[in-house]
Amino acid sequence: DSGVTQTPKHLITATGQRVTLRCSPRSGDLSVYWYQQSLDQGLQFLIQYYNGEERAKGNILERFSAQQFPDLHSELNLSSLELGDSALYFCASSVGGWGESTDTQYFGPGTRLTVL
Amino acid sequence: AQSVTQLDSQVPVFEEAPVELRCNYSSSVSVYLFWYVQYPNQGLQLLLKYLSGSTLVKGINGFEAEFNKSQTSFHLRKPSVHISDTAEYFCAVRNTGGFKTIFGAGTRLFVKA
Repeated sequence: DSGVTQTPKHLITATGQRVTLRCSPRSGDLSVYWYQQSLDQGLQFLIQYYNGEERAKGNILERFSAQQFPDLHSELNLSSLELGDSALYFCASSVGGWGESTDTQYFGPGTRLTVL
Repeated sequence: AQSVTQLDSQVPVFEEAPVELRCNYSSSVSVYLFWYVQYPNQGLQLLLKYLSGSTLVKGINGFEAEFNKSQTSFHLRKPSVHISDTAEYFCAVRNTGGFKTIFGAGTRLFVKA
């Protein structure tokens, strides 16, 4: 158990809908990272937040957005969903995030999103 | 831009045999290198990482990896595998001073009895 929790575990929805994925980092970790894992794209970095502020952006679509709240939990919002958005979405956390790129990232169990 | 290539998508091996999972990276700057393991229906778990110093890095579960700067490789090895090592293994690279981690496509290790 990494200490990172993600809810829900599974999510099934229809095209055009909007969903929110939730992540709680390990106690004491200030950074949260979001990744998308799909069969055709592999594991792709989406976005990182550190202590409530966006720190780095990867291959995140404009239809997707994220935020980190004062209690450090994070939400990933996916809107206007398409079939191709079906994937495993992982959250990871680490202690630092500012000038500390040696940090180990601890991954949650993931949320499996199925868009029908 | 950085990239990571895992040369084998699947590696079948018999129990107690040695295994090497290959990883090559491309980067114009100094990097940190990582190997993660993903067991079925679970998240990724860090096996080991290279930050600096000795090029031979030892990790959990008896795995080790060697950083070879001239060949831009970071191959993962284990001298004797167990059935429980069956999983997907990901090599990853991150710029020193950066936060974006780039993952390889993964290598599925299948250990047979």
